[in-house]
Amino acid sequence: EDQVTQSPEALRLQEGESSSLNCSYTVSGLRGLFWYRQDPGKGPEFLFTLYSAGEEKEKERLKATLTKKESFLHITAPKPEDSATYLCAVVPGTASKLTFGTGTRLQVTL
Amino acid sequence: DGGITQSPKYLFRKEGQNVTLSCEQNLNHDAMYWYRQDPGQGLRLIYYSQIVNDFQKGDIAEGYSVSREKKESFPLTVTSAQKNPTAFYLCASSRRTSGGTGELFFGEGSRLTVL
Repeated sequence: EDQVTQSPEALRLQEGESSSLNCSYTVSGLRGLFWYRQDPGKGPEFLFTLYSAGEEKEKERLKATLTKKESFLHITAPKPEDSATYLCAVVPGTASKLTFGTGTRLQVTL
Repeated sequence: DGGITQSPKYLFRKEGQNVTLSCEQNLNHDAMYWYRQDPGQGLRLIYYSQIVNDFQKGDIAEGYSVSREKKESFPLTVTSAQKNPTAFYLCASSRRTSGGTGELFFGEGSRLTVL
């Protein structure tokens, strides 16, 4: 069965304190891995797509990386506006739909 | 501005009643999806449609029904057969119909509470 596990469940950082979120996956083949950001009471917002091991994508303070077993979302010098839940999802090679993880809830304080 | 509009944002229902959640998109996307989100669980796919007049069941379709009569619209009906309907419902769309794209555009969600 395809599985996506995100850790930690929750993370509290001070402004400027860099860290990483983890997304490990077990799928039969991987068509793509996706990161989304979700603010409370809102729909998720697409951030990145990664297709193959070694690939990296960056956007402002966020950088996503991919290995054969997991993906990391690195947050450099976060600001309070980066506070949100970050969701990871995969499209397995045998499926035609996304499998989502449960997310990491990030809080950045002053 | 292009986007996905869900309505209503909040909905209260008595047990035994059917309710319909609206989803409209003006992105000219072929594919549309309905997800359910519960605390501590990942988004779960209810139904999806890759083309007008066609749709497929997702992982948790029991107690739900959909229609796709227009490209822009994909309403979801939560029937009385759904045992635990209280949840946050999200509609999404995507550019391509192949399974390879995971770039979904989501609406703001509809929160359904059964009293």
